[in-house]
Amino acid sequence: SAVISQKPSRDICQRGTSLTIQCQVDSQVTMMFWYRQQPGQSLTLIATANQGSEATYESGFVIDKFPISRPNLTFSTLTVSNMSPEDSSIYLCSALRDTRRGYTFGSGTRLTVV
Amino acid sequence: KQEVTQIPAALSVPEGENLVLNCSFTDSAIYNLQWFRQDPGKGLTSLLLIQSSQREQTSGRLNASLDKSSGRSTLYIAASQPGDSATYLCAVNNNAGNMLTFGGGTRLMVKP
Repeated sequence: SAVISQKPSRDICQRGTSLTIQCQVDSQVTMMFWYRQQPGQSLTLIATANQGSEATYESGFVIDKFPISRPNLTFSTLTVSNMSPEDSSIYLCSALRDTRRGYTFGSGTRLTVV
Repeated sequence: KQEVTQIPAALSVPEGENLVLNCSFTDSAIYNLQWFRQDPGKGLTSLLLIQSSQREQTSGRLNASLDKSSGRSTLYIAASQPGDSATYLCAVNNNAGNMLTFGGGTRLMVKP
């Protein structure tokens, strides 16, 4: 399976600021995804990061709040914009090389907004 | 819309016990199902992947089964150890879009 390096691992940010999270995969993958995990909850898909085009967002998530880039087949970023305390969560990226091998996840970014 | 449910939500057992975690899903038209482990505040580690054509997968003390027609999967952990303490997540890959739908997880504590 692919190995994903995600950073930062954690951050404490002031409300109104933005944070960009990076994910680097050690091999080319077909698909990359971004998830949010709110405290005590399971994972919710934010968007599918499409290589070379705009991300596909799930209901309740918008590009202005969570802009995503994927310039190539191994790298993606998620920005959490104009943060509020409600954005405090763990953000995880995931990659799929092919369906035979399943999904791999990054180590997560624990974000606290104060 | 696919919905995934995991029972129990939390489980506490003494070391050495064999245990079963349950996962059910509403739409049986899945491509595959994956079990993950998550330690507190960390990312997900893949444990087992079962394709829709398979009945079970085994890795060490772990065995996962899949009954696609009834919308159920179980994760069996043999001879549990304190190091098994974590949250276990079941996730289903639907045929469309390749997105994963997650269950709420089972929080497992194995006491020495």
